[in-house]
Amino acid sequence: QSALTQPRSVSGSPGQSVTVSCTGTSSDVGGYNSVSWYQHHPGKVPKLMIFDVNKRPSGVPDRFSGSKSGNTASLTISGLQAEDEADYYCCSYAGSYTFWVFGGGTKLTVL
Amino acid sequence: QVQLEQSGAEVRKPGASVKLSCKTSGYTFTSYYIHWVRQAPGQGLEWMGMLNPSGGNMMSAQKFKGRVTMTGDTSTTTVYMELSGLKSEDTAVYFCARGSLIVVIGGAMPDWGQGTLVTVSS
Repeated sequence: QSALTQPRSVSGSPGQSVTVSCTGTSSDVGGYNSVSWYQHHPGKVPKLMIFDVNKRPSGVPDRFSGSKSGNTASLTISGLQAEDEADYYCCSYAGSYTFWVFGGGTKLTVL
Repeated sequence: QVQLEQSGAEVRKPGASVKLSCKTSGYTFTSYYIHWVRQAPGQGLEWMGMLNPSGGNMMSAQKFKGRVTMTGDTSTTTVYMELSGLKSEDTAVYFCARGSLIVVIGGAMPDWGQGTLVTVSS
């Protein structure tokens, strides 16, 4: 069982918005602003999409945004495109004993 | 640009050990953590541990304590991860990833190696 809880799957039509949630505890998501999100196409290398809760690396479209409320972080993808179909993983710093934890991953299907 | 080049696929029998390499370039080796993350078939990403290449100290997930060793060679800017006591459940793709600056608590993993498939089978 993963330390962070994500829905197994979400879906949306092209042009729509979807939100992926990531629920942890006050020891990880709620305790630090080091939540990141990774896009992973099967067989490829994971790609950083969001870091520090809501910051986008250079080159990531502004259709991708992140937020956090309490122990739950969220990734919102607006204006869905076919190429957004992938697995998405959240990751949080969890202190100097556990260090880092990933969510179980969410499969995004673009209908 | 930042590059992480991982060693090739490995096959091991249960109980054996495997040592993977991650050759880095394009940045100051001793300034950034290197993480190891794995993905078993049909499963999600799993954080294994990280190395501070400057001091050589390693921090690992509780699950792997006593079984994983991470080391770095500053002369070749290469990080190594050795996993011992292999079981079939260790069959996975193993990724190295550059993390944050050593002086930063937290951060993220912006750069990844291409992954190395390790197959554990009798």
